[in-house]
Amino acid sequence: GESVGLHLPTLSVQEGDNSIINCAYSNSASDYFIWYKQESGKGPQFIIDIRSNMDKRQGQRVTVLLNKTVKHLSLQIAATQPGDSAVYFCAEAYSGTYKYIFGTGTRLKVLA
Amino acid sequence: NAGVTQTPKFRVLKTGQSMTLLCAQDMNHEYMYWYRQDPGMGLRLIHYSVGEGTTAKGEVPDGYNVSRLKKQNFLLGLESAAPSQTSVYFCASRYRGINTEAFFGQGTRLTVV
Repeated sequence: GESVGLHLPTLSVQEGDNSIINCAYSNSASDYFIWYKQESGKGPQFIIDIRSNMDKRQGQRVTVLLNKTVKHLSLQIAATQPGDSAVYFCAEAYSGTYKYIFGTGTRLKVLA
Repeated sequence: NAGVTQTPKFRVLKTGQSMTLLCAQDMNHEYMYWYRQDPGMGLRLIHYSVGEGTTAKGEVPDGYNVSRLKKQNFLLGLESAAPSQTSVYFCASRYRGINTEAFFGQGTRLTVV
């Protein structure tokens, strides 16, 4: 079984509803942000990214919103499906560094 | 296209034993990273490399060493394993530049008893 994420905050959503996963980032100088999805027993997978000169970016069924004023990032998933069940991580980075800083993650559970 | 491949996938070590985790990427990425992931915590950076022959320390480097002799490979070594190093280890790689996403391997689950 999966030991990662035993104590993560959990969001439970009914199948077909929209999900909103939030992330507070730490560095006001960060200018690049990414959302990753991690399914049980697998490595993180890229979902969507956004640069600091944007407030919103849309992908397939996903939207990322960036509020630099309060250092907040959110991931919206439309029409949530059972396959969306996973742990979601945000990551931040800023020019001049090679490293990403990852958040602790949120577990999304989709209820049938 | 295999992406990022980690070897082995699982390993059990006794305290004091040594081992090397191998990460191989076939995307010609310049940057490579080793992270560890513990329950309830995010990914913590152990070491990273911005090119062949270069390595640097991350947030939690103690007890680990790395080498990048070839661009496509990044090795993580544990010289004397401790129970505190029980974790899931992930390797990642990406292209040079800040606005590029990292690609992750499937992970290595290491247990030190």
